[in-house]
Amino acid sequence: NAGVTQTPKFQVLKTGQSMTLQCAQDMNHNSMYWYRQDPGMGLRLIYYSASEGTTDKGEVPNGYNVSRLNKREFSLRLESAAPSQTSVYFCASSEYGNQPQHFGDGTRLSIL
Amino acid sequence: QKEVEQDPGPLSVPEGAIVSLNCTYSNSAFQYFMWYRQYSRKGPELLMYTYSSGNKEDGRFTAQVDKSSKYISLFIRDSQPSDSATYLCAMSTAYSSASKIIFGSGTRLSIRP
Repeated sequence: NAGVTQTPKFQVLKTGQSMTLQCAQDMNHNSMYWYRQDPGMGLRLIYYSASEGTTDKGEVPNGYNVSRLNKREFSLRLESAAPSQTSVYFCASSEYGNQPQHFGDGTRLSIL
Repeated sequence: QKEVEQDPGPLSVPEGAIVSLNCTYSNSAFQYFMWYRQYSRKGPELLMYTYSSGNKEDGRFTAQVDKSSKYISLFIRDSQPSDSATYLCAMSTAYSSASKIIFGSGTRLSIRP
């Protein structure tokens, strides 16, 4: 049972390049989330999907877009990467919005 | 003011000590309380999950909720070097339609051998 799988694990981009981070969960969860984690800043919610077919902005959505492809998959896209988007990105899922979230091991993204 | 406040530490204690980690919150509607442990270069993993007030024990870990004071704690007994990690508290309301849980910023804990 893999839980939450994120790909890739590491990526280096140049400013202005685009990229899609992939996330898939095998727990049949309804809700999925994208966070970024920066030193001293804790987890900051970028976007979330409360259920298949819905997406909503979180605390720091600027510069990102998401797609809930199906119940299992939730992708995060950077259209024009900026150095300020250098971070560790975590995907998470939960059965419902108020239930504990299960996290992937993150994507470490550097924008040069 | 943040909805959930957590001292970032770092907290350094000798092996075998009892560790106390704490969070305060402002939203009286919170009913579910969680503690996550995050090792370096890994995602957070759920450690403890409690509903409403009271204590919950799991091995060396005890989670305590005091809703009257809006204060939650995680106690680690007989601490081990393998407990060195960042600990995040999290909480949510009782409504399944609620869209997300709220995380504290995490406390970095180091257990000295």
